[in-house]
Amino acid sequence: AQSVTQLDSQVPVFEEAPVELRCNYSSSVSVYLFWYVQYPNQGLQLLLKYLSGSTLVKSINGFEAEFNKSQTSFHLRKPSVHISDTAEYFCAVSLNTGGFKTIFGAGTRLFVKA
Amino acid sequence: DVKVTQSSRYLVKRTGEKVFLECVQDMDHENMFWYRQDPGLGLRLIYFSYDVKMKEKGDIPEGYSVSREKKERFSLILESASTNQTSMYLCASSFRPYRGGEETQYFGPGTRLLVL
Repeated sequence: AQSVTQLDSQVPVFEEAPVELRCNYSSSVSVYLFWYVQYPNQGLQLLLKYLSGSTLVKSINGFEAEFNKSQTSFHLRKPSVHISDTAEYFCAVSLNTGGFKTIFGAGTRLFVKA
Repeated sequence: DVKVTQSSRYLVKRTGEKVFLECVQDMDHENMFWYRQDPGLGLRLIYFSYDVKMKEKGDIPEGYSVSREKKERFSLILESASTNQTSMYLCASSFRPYRGGEETQYFGPGTRLLVL
């Protein structure tokens, strides 16, 4: 069965500092990987996803994540965060053998302080 | 832009009441989902639907039912609300019924339900 572990429930960081949000998954078959972001009082929205090809994927607002198959990880990074990045971030996996089920991690709350 | 709307942002109900949560999407998506979101547990799938009148149980269907009579609308029903159903409920939709795993899900803003 698939599972997703987000290793940090909360990550406080100062503005303009780098940040890494960690995500590990387990699956016996190949997966698709996603990061979703939830800003306060909003639903989730896609930040970036890995389907195939280049293992490094990037979002339009400066986040990137690297798929590491050997370590079964998909960590999210940003070299310099802004106050507006304060949100909850969810890592998610789904099987690439078809089907509709996506498994979400428990979420990581990123607090960016001035 | 895809828009997923949910009928209420906040709802307060009493134990034993029948509760209806409505979700509408405007992008002709085939798949629709209901999740509940609880602190420390992330999102857990309650039910999903890949076509009109079709539904599949998710991980935590007990105490819930769903209805999809039209493609754009997916309803979640709490048959007899209980206090342990106090939660945030999120609706989502996605395209392409036969390649579901790679599709982005588009979420509504959520309904925060309090059962007293």
